[in-house]
Amino acid sequence: ILNVEQSPQSLHVQEGDSTNFTCSFPSSNFYALHWYRWETAKSPEALFVMTLNGDEKKKGRISATLNTKEGYSYLYIKGSQPEDSATYLCQFFGNEKLTFGTGTRLTIIP
Amino acid sequence: KAGVTQTPRYLIKTRGQQVTLSCSPISGHRSVSWYQQTPGQGLQFLFEYFSETQRNKGNFPGRFSGRQFSNSRSEMNVSTLELGDSALYLCASSLGPSPYEQYFGPGTRLTVT
Repeated sequence: ILNVEQSPQSLHVQEGDSTNFTCSFPSSNFYALHWYRWETAKSPEALFVMTLNGDEKKKGRISATLNTKEGYSYLYIKGSQPEDSATYLCQFFGNEKLTFGTGTRLTIIP
Repeated sequence: KAGVTQTPRYLIKTRGQQVTLSCSPISGHRSVSWYQQTPGQGLQFLFEYFSETQRNKGNFPGRFSGRQFSNSRSEMNVSTLELGDSALYLCASSLGPSPYEQYFGPGTRLTVT
């Protein structure tokens, strides 16, 4: 069983503040890491696919970094907005397994 | 471009029965993955198909099976249903296997009574 952990489990952030959270995964046999945003009553939406150590991806106010040697990825949200409220999931692909983390539930307080 | 479609959207079955769920990927996508989401276990990977071949499989019992057709549509089957199989089943399609970006369907909500 692969351990893919996300922290924190939940987070409340004031609108306008920036925030970040972590996905930790096994550092051996890394192939790819996916980040998704999952809003209530909707399907998961792909944010980033990260494959190379040192990767940094950006989409609007959201960005992500990847460190495959130490086995972690950070997701950053700058200037949080109410529409950012969702569960953020990472998915590790390695050792021929696709494993999701348990997610970080983000709530933006207006 | 039409998104990923899953049928049926909701299903109620009795313990011991079997069920087949269907997933039609986005046109041009050749890879389909299946996931199970339960409150206690979160999102878990079931299997991944690419060009009609199963590429990867999660840690589920043999009662869970799947297949992919030549038009990339996929089905998953669960035999001898148990109460614990009650879950949201999501499928996702992509141009190819990971690390291609995945696009998720709306899911099938299965309730086993």
